Amino acid sequence: AQKITQTQPGMFVQEKEAVTLDCTYDTSDQSYGLFWYKQPSSGEMIFLIYQGSYDEQNATEGRYSLNFQKARKSANLVISASQLGDSAMYFCAMREGEGGSYIPTFGRGTSLIVHP
Amino acid sequence: NAGVTQTPKFQVLKTGQSMTLQCAQDMNHEYMSWYRQDPGMGLRLIHYSVGAGITDQGEVPNGYNVSRSTTEDFPLRLLSAAPSQTSVYFCASSFFSQNEKLFFGSGTQLSVL
Repeated sequence: AQKITQTQPGMFVQEKEAVTLDCTYDTSDQSYGLFWYKQPSSGEMIFLIYQGSYDEQNATEGRYSLNFQKARKSANLVISASQLGDSAMYFCAMREGEGGSYIPTFGRGTSLIVHP
Repeated sequence: NAGVTQTPKFQVLKTGQSMTLQCAQDMNHEYMSWYRQDPGMGLRLIHYSVGAGITDQGEVPNGYNVSRSTTEDFPLRLLSAAPSQTSVYFCASSFFSQNEKLFFGSGTQLSVL
């Protein structure tokens, strides 16, 4: 079974609008970390945002926020005011604590296209 | 501060050839890893290491070999290349903790003919 599920292979959004990229995860650990990475067409992997399982508030980094719903095991990425440069692949990842030995696992990614 | 240096950026091999992808980091990270990225499959873990002298298999280890003789270096060896190993390869490193982000190399586009 996949530990990280990203159900949206592709998403489209109009420039300046907000978009939510879905991520659900599966773990029996109480302690874990959730990450989002961006991969533009140039190919590099860029870290965007982190949420710890014990963090009570949703993480925010500029226009990025992570909508963390622990009971639902979801960690959706919200991009506000989309820009053309946000067009990229986005990967959700998890590092589990005790049971997962901190080895990161990745989802299959969501391709986001921002239209002008 | 160079971060994670991965070479080469591009490589074409013939079936049966061997080669080594190089990865070096200068951040004193304990954790180093190799992923392959294929369309629609995300990043799949090939091998990883949590310190010098310690390596372990990931999700897709067959056909690959690694060693970690120093903290800084973590080369990936393709023993006898196959077309199924055509992929984009990433080296990544971090401190070994659940809240540490990965630092990635720039990737290697490998084609096996």
